[in-house]
Amino acid sequence: EDQVTQSPEALRLQEGESSSLNCSYTVSGLRGLFWYRQDPGKGPEFLFTLYSAGEEKEKERLKATLTKKESFLHITAPKPEDSATYLCAVQGETSGSRLTFGEGTQLTVNP
Amino acid sequence: DTGVSQDPRHKITKRGQNVTFRCDPISEHNRLYWYRQTLGQGPEFLTYFQNEAQLEKSRLLSDRFSAERPKGSFSTLEIQRTEQGDSAMYLCASSKWTGIGNQPQHFGDGTRLSIL
Repeated sequence: EDQVTQSPEALRLQEGESSSLNCSYTVSGLRGLFWYRQDPGKGPEFLFTLYSAGEEKEKERLKATLTKKESFLHITAPKPEDSATYLCAVQGETSGSRLTFGEGTQLTVNP
Repeated sequence: DTGVSQDPRHKITKRGQNVTFRCDPISEHNRLYWYRQTLGQGPEFLTYFQNEAQLEKSRLLSDRFSAERPKGSFSTLEIQRTEQGDSAMYLCASSKWTGIGNQPQHFGDGTRLSIL
C-alpha cells in the first residue's frame, strides 16, 4: 500500500525567509509524485509532477526535487501570498490511477 | 479554458437523507475522479472513470455510495441514507489519458457536505 508522510505539519515563516517542506513516500514502483497547493475552501491546485530520482522542477519561488525515498518543496524568499496548505501525492504502479495524498503542510508567511 | 466545475458548493442535509453531487470535468479530459477530504487530512480516493466506464472503486466507497458518468462527460456521486461520518468535502478531478505518461489530475473546488 502506498504511503505518504509530510513534515512539518505546520510552518510559519517571515517574508523572505527561505525553507523546505518534506514529503517521504513508500510506493511499489513510482509512476509519479505530485505537488499541489490548496487554499482554504478551495480544491487542490496542481504545481508539479516529478517522475524519477534526481528530477527537479521550478516555478517562480518554488522548486521541487525528488530522491528515491522523498521529495522536497523548496520555497525561496516567500511572500504572504504563498501561504497555503501544500499537499504531496504519489501514484504507484500497483495503484492504478489513484493518487495517495499526505496530510499536507500548512504554510503561513508573515509580512 | 474552464476548469473542473462542481455543484452544489455546499449541501446541508439531515441524517438519513439522500444527496447527489454533480461534476463537470475539463472538456477534453476523458478521466474523472472522486475524492473525499476531511478537515486537516489529504484527499482520499473514492473512484474513477475513463469515459463512461467505472474502472476502480476504493474500499471507502460503501454500498451507500454510487457514482455514474453516463455519457462520458459529467458525473454524479450519490450518497444514500447519509450518516454523520459522511460530512466532508467531496472533490472531483479530471485528467487526459493518452496512453503515454501520467497527466496531472486537476481538481474542482469541491462540494462541502454537512450532515445535521
